[in-house]
Amino acid sequence: QKEVEQNSGPLSVPEGAIASLNCTYSDRGSQSFFWYRQYSGKSPELIMSIYSNGDKEDGRFTAQLNKASQYVSLLIRDSQPSDSATYLCAVRINTDKLIFGTGTRLQVFP
Amino acid sequence: GAGVSQTPSNKVTEKGKYVELRCDPISGHTALYWYRQSLGQGPEFLIYFQGTGAADDSGLPNDRFFAVRPEGSVSTLKIQRTERGYSAVYLCASSLTGTNEKLFFGSGTQLSVL
Repeated sequence: QKEVEQNSGPLSVPEGAIASLNCTYSDRGSQSFFWYRQYSGKSPELIMSIYSNGDKEDGRFTAQLNKASQYVSLLIRDSQPSDSATYLCAVRINTDKLIFGTGTRLQVFP
Repeated sequence: GAGVSQTPSNKVTEKGKYVELRCDPISGHTALYWYRQSLGQGPEFLIYFQGTGAADDSGLPNDRFFAVRPEGSVSTLKIQRTERGYSAVYLCASSLTGTNEKLFFGSGTQLSVL
């Protein structure tokens, strides 16, 4: 079992819709969770971090964490074509090692 | 510098050769990470430095890979006897103290082993 798992996609949503991206992780002791966005040919950039169970909202983005189910998700409201990118889930394992999933490619079509 | 700088941006080498990839982190950042990213995959953890020491090198694939950070700033990833399977983008990232803060990534070095 991989430490961090994501569906590779692509996930296609129309402009204005809600995009829902999911991630599961294997280390029950993990405490810190992150979503990074990576445009094609570019480096990852942090968009959200979450440490406690529940929801965390930042603009059009909402991160959701359920430690009992070992599940993290990212919702993007009012999706825009500029949101089209690969979204990487990352989980802090043990000390400070940050492990990434394979990423989910999101396509927002006009 | 303003951001994480990686050089070279592209490196083409032949199978069996030795390569060095350089990372210059953001000034004052004590934590430095190396990742390898193949096409269509997420970044694969290689090694993490806290200051001058390697806090976790469990991601290095084998003993051909080695990284140093002698003065707690610039880091060099060294790869001996390169294989075609080592072709990937090698990403460096830094953060102020550790991974509970934002990681700032460099633009990466595209390594191509022919």
